[in-house]
Amino acid sequence: GQNIDQPTEMTATEGAIVQINCTYQTSGFNGLFWYQQHAGEAPTFLSYNVLDGLEEKGRFSSFLSRSKGYSYLLLKELQMKDSASYLCALNSGYSTLTFGKGTMLLVSP
Amino acid sequence: GAVVSQHPSWVICKSGTSVKIECRSLDFQATTMFWYRQFPKQSLMLMATSNEGSKATYEQGVEKDKFLINHASLTLSTLTVTSAHPEDSSFYICSARAQGQGKYEQYFGPGTRLTVT
Repeated sequence: GQNIDQPTEMTATEGAIVQINCTYQTSGFNGLFWYQQHAGEAPTFLSYNVLDGLEEKGRFSSFLSRSKGYSYLLLKELQMKDSASYLCALNSGYSTLTFGKGTMLLVSP
Repeated sequence: GAVVSQHPSWVICKSGTSVKIECRSLDFQATTMFWYRQFPKQSLMLMATSNEGSKATYEQGVEKDKFLINHASLTLSTLTVTSAHPEDSSFYICSARAQGQGKYEQYFGPGTRLTVT
């Protein structure tokens, strides 16, 4: 089975940088995803890591360490619209995704 | 590209009735579609995986006779909630994986809010 842990809530101010951590245990690994979900809406894809290291995409970066079972999502130059839930999701090799419970990020002025 | 639609976006039904939710991949062919359920302030829970032309694979604890899934074409999957009860009220989200896509990325539909009264 899989187990995914991420903080329940985080707060940050506009313009700041925030790092959302995700740790996991799994018997198989075929990639880790980060999704953003605004209240009442479906998740939107942010990033995908399958190899160790940092993937940068604009204001968003995601890091993976497979040996440590650890990933983080880094958000720079925070904007109010970044207030949302951020979901860490694991692909264990059977094409299905297992989602963490999500981290609710609140960006304040 | 990679747009997934769902219909309806919200539905209210009476207890004991059935509701059908459609999930369509608009600009790509989806060999695999997934159905999730999300309760308030909870994460997405996978209900079932459907492959075009074959029976869906249900996750443990999901009643296949209550949640009927049909994936009749490469662009359409339907979820029918039969004999709905208030505890079935939830946000139902489908996702689709494109044919031949290597990194298992899933594209999500906008979700359907079901309220059973």
